[in-house]
Amino acid sequence: EDQVTQSPEALRLQEGESSSLNCSYTVSGLRGLFWYRQDPGKGPEFLFTLYSAGEEKEKERLKATLTKKESFLHITAPKPEDSATYLCAVHWAGYSTLTFGKGTMLLVSP
Amino acid sequence: NAGVTQTPKFRVLKTGQSMTLLCAQDMNHEYMYWYRQDPGMGLRLIHYSVGEGTTAKGEVPDGYNVSRLKKQNFLLGLESAAPSQTSVYFCASSYSLGDTGELFFGEGSRLTVL
Repeated sequence: EDQVTQSPEALRLQEGESSSLNCSYTVSGLRGLFWYRQDPGKGPEFLFTLYSAGEEKEKERLKATLTKKESFLHITAPKPEDSATYLCAVHWAGYSTLTFGKGTMLLVSP
Repeated sequence: NAGVTQTPKFRVLKTGQSMTLLCAQDMNHEYMYWYRQDPGMGLRLIHYSVGEGTTAKGEVPDGYNVSRLKKQNFLLGLESAAPSQTSVYFCASSYSLGDTGELFFGEGSRLTVL
């Protein structure tokens, strides 16, 4: 069983069509949940860190939220330049570094 | 403004050949990591280092060796390449070990083993 599961695997949106990406985790002792963006042919780029349930972080059209077992990345009125793969990762008590999910590939069409 | 630099960016090997991937960071980070990324598998940690002269195994260490002789450099070696090691390899560095979650990644090294 994967410790970090992201859904959907792929998402296609029209420009301006808001939606959410999901990251659920089964690990115990969460120390932090992290969102990254990865463009094709590039390395992941850090977006947000969330530490406790109820916490929210925003950056431009992106807002990340955290509950006890999952996180959502809300994308409001997306633009084509938001097209990328979004990765979720957790830092938890049983592992010294980050555990990554497999990502959600987002395509925003004009 | 280099950040994390990986060389080479592309490499093709034959089965059984050896090679070394070099990662260099200019941010004075203590922690450095090597990941591989495969379709449908996500990012998986191969080895990491918590400081100069130290290394530790990650999730998929078999078939790889690493060295951290200088703080700014982290080398990943393949002694006898296998087709299963065809992948995109990412190096990353960070100020702390997981606490802030902000890993700085290189642009990747695409390795094909024939």
